Amino acid sequence: DTAVSQTPKYLVTQMGNDKSIKCEQNLGHDTMYWYKQDSKKFLKIMFSYNNKELIINETVPNRFSPKSPDKAHLNLHINSLELGDSAVYFCASSRDRWSYNEQFFGPGTRLTVL
Amino acid sequence: KQEVTQIPAALSVPEGENLVLNCSFTDSAIYNLQWFRQDPGKGLTSLLLIQSSQREQTSGRLNASLDKSSGRSTLYIAASQPGDSATYLCAADRLNYGGSQGNLIFGKGTKLSVKP
Repeated sequence: DTAVSQTPKYLVTQMGNDKSIKCEQNLGHDTMYWYKQDSKKFLKIMFSYNNKELIINETVPNRFSPKSPDKAHLNLHINSLELGDSAVYFCASSRDRWSYNEQFFGPGTRLTVL
Repeated sequence: KQEVTQIPAALSVPEGENLVLNCSFTDSAIYNLQWFRQDPGKGLTSLLLIQSSQREQTSGRLNASLDKSSGRSTLYIAASQPGDSATYLCAADRLNYGGSQGNLIFGKGTKLSVKP
């Protein structure tokens, strides 16, 4: 039973295309996150949602739009993909944003923009 | 602005050795500190979480300590095994007014290699 799952695992696409990455957690958590790990393996938070509401948006270009249809899902849509968007994108979840949150991560989606 | 630094960037030890990984952070106003393990091509596995009011946490052969006043955390691995080979990341959870926002600030990790 995968706690935090992401699809697809790999995504190869051309510059200028629009793509989506999906994330689902079956832990019953209220808070979900998107992180980006660049080519130097540096992890940075992009977005955080609590119960379908956006609570963190860390200076991410408008081309990135998260969507949370329910608290178990947080999808990431990227418009007009650029070469610099190539990275591994990780989804994570935590019980809520008020207690001492242990964050659980998905396996990652490796995005390659050609 | 919170910055998290991990030293060394890479470490190679023989099997059975005890070792310490270091993590330092610039802003002591943290909510908690979390240690993760990342295997090549895989996601992050949470190892230990230390709340800001705690000094240490233990799980099996792992012991993590937290000293907020000096801005440091250490991860101690006892009797290292080849299966411990991975990249170890520490992350500080920023403390905000009204509670944690879960905004983890990560270090760049220490790549550990345990030789048989």
